[in-house]
Amino acid sequence: AQSVSQHNHHVILSEAASLELGCNYSYGGTVNLFWYVQYPGQHLQLLLKYFSGDPLVKGIKGFEAEFIKSKFSFNLRKPSVQWSDTAEYFCAVNALSGNQFYFGTGTSLTVIP
Amino acid sequence: DVKVTQSSRYLVKRTGEKVFLECVQDMDHENMFWYRQDPGLGLRLIYFSYDVKMKEKGDIPEGYSVSREKKERFSLILESASTNQTSMYLCASSPYLSGNTIYFGEGSWLTVV
Repeated sequence: AQSVSQHNHHVILSEAASLELGCNYSYGGTVNLFWYVQYPGQHLQLLLKYFSGDPLVKGIKGFEAEFIKSKFSFNLRKPSVQWSDTAEYFCAVNALSGNQFYFGTGTSLTVIP
Repeated sequence: DVKVTQSSRYLVKRTGEKVFLECVQDMDHENMFWYRQDPGLGLRLIYFSYDVKMKEKGDIPEGYSVSREKKERFSLILESASTNQTSMYLCASSPYLSGNTIYFGEGSWLTVV
């Protein structure tokens, strides 16, 4: 079975700081990769996704992620966070050979004004 | 926009009760999923279904069953609720072809007392 690891469980940053959240997965085949965000009291929403092509993917609200195949990683970045980015972030993997989505344990981000 | 609707946002049930959580999606998606979300554990797949009347166990199916009689509706059933099933339950759907995005409902908070 596939697995997804998110190394940072809880991150606290001041506004304007840069953000990088780590995500590694274990699966030898071709995968699709996602980052989802869950704002307080809201449902999970897609932040960005990678299917193929340019390994640097841009998403909503200034987020981007880089797929490094050799490292089985898909790290999320944002150059300058805002208070409104306070949320929980989940990395997810979907193998091309299957219909299941596997999620990491999530990273809780708190941005201090 | 894809809409995944979960019938109940908040439920309180007694130990031993039978609990039904209903989910409806309006995008004619083949795949539907039930996840459980717990702090520090992320999203764990309970069951998923790739077609009407078809179901497959996820990572934590014990104590749960599902029903999919119509394509748009996927129900999660707790045959005899226990306190360790107190959690947030998330329904999701996606198109059949792998590589597509998964869409989530707002979640159902279940408390078993």
